[in-house]
Amino acid sequence: EVQLVESGGDLVQPGGSLRLSCAASGFTFSDHYMDWVRQAPGKGLEWVGRTRNKANSYTTQYAASVKGRFTISRDDSKNSLYLQMNSLETEDTAVYYCARGSQYSTNWYIDYWGLGTLVTVSS
Amino acid sequence: DIQMTQSPSTLSASVGDRVTITCRASQSISSWLAWYQQKPGKAPNLLIYQASNLESGVPSRFSGSGSGTEFTLTISSLQPDDFATYYCQHYNSYPLTFGGGTKVGI
Repeated sequence: EVQLVESGGDLVQPGGSLRLSCAASGFTFSDHYMDWVRQAPGKGLEWVGRTRNKANSYTTQYAASVKGRFTISRDDSKNSLYLQMNSLETEDTAVYYCARGSQYSTNWYIDYWGLGTLVTVSS
Repeated sequence: DIQMTQSPSTLSASVGDRVTITCRASQSISSWLAWYQQKPGKAPNLLIYQASNLESGVPSRFSGSGSGTEFTLTISSLQPDDFATYYCQHYNSYPLTFGGGTKVGI
């Protein structure tokens, strides 16, 4: 059974930093792309970014709203995904979901989601 | 960036109704489209990928169609468990983007 468990969410002041983690199990983590998606309270879903797998050099992509402030990394030896968030803004307040990417032909879609972890940015 | 527009934003329906939700892309995305269902306080759940492929374990009353810029999600006979919010998302290029969601209620 695929499981994705996020941790690290907290209350942080504007301008602060936070690191989220996602522990994966039930599948071969190293084969998959991995994403972060967020959802502000009462709002829709917003894709944050993606890390590709080793076969694709672990390259990353980011949404414009977080580029330069957030960094996605992974440790395949620990089946873990990370999101380092710096220079946090109140607009970053959201539930952050870890999600698995799976391949269809040449592209990758999200097929499994974690339960999410809440990040609150407030003074 | 590719914009995804869903309609309607809210929908009132009854058990047994046929429900159709539309998703339009601002430019062609071929068939690189997924649909998700989300219930309050829960993570999204994949229903459809590649515009029309039903994810394993998803009831057959759900179906997807379309290509290019216009897509639909259809629930053939709405069940009590289907009252939720539905999102489309393209994965044609970066950044991936979601539609604004369609809330299906009574």
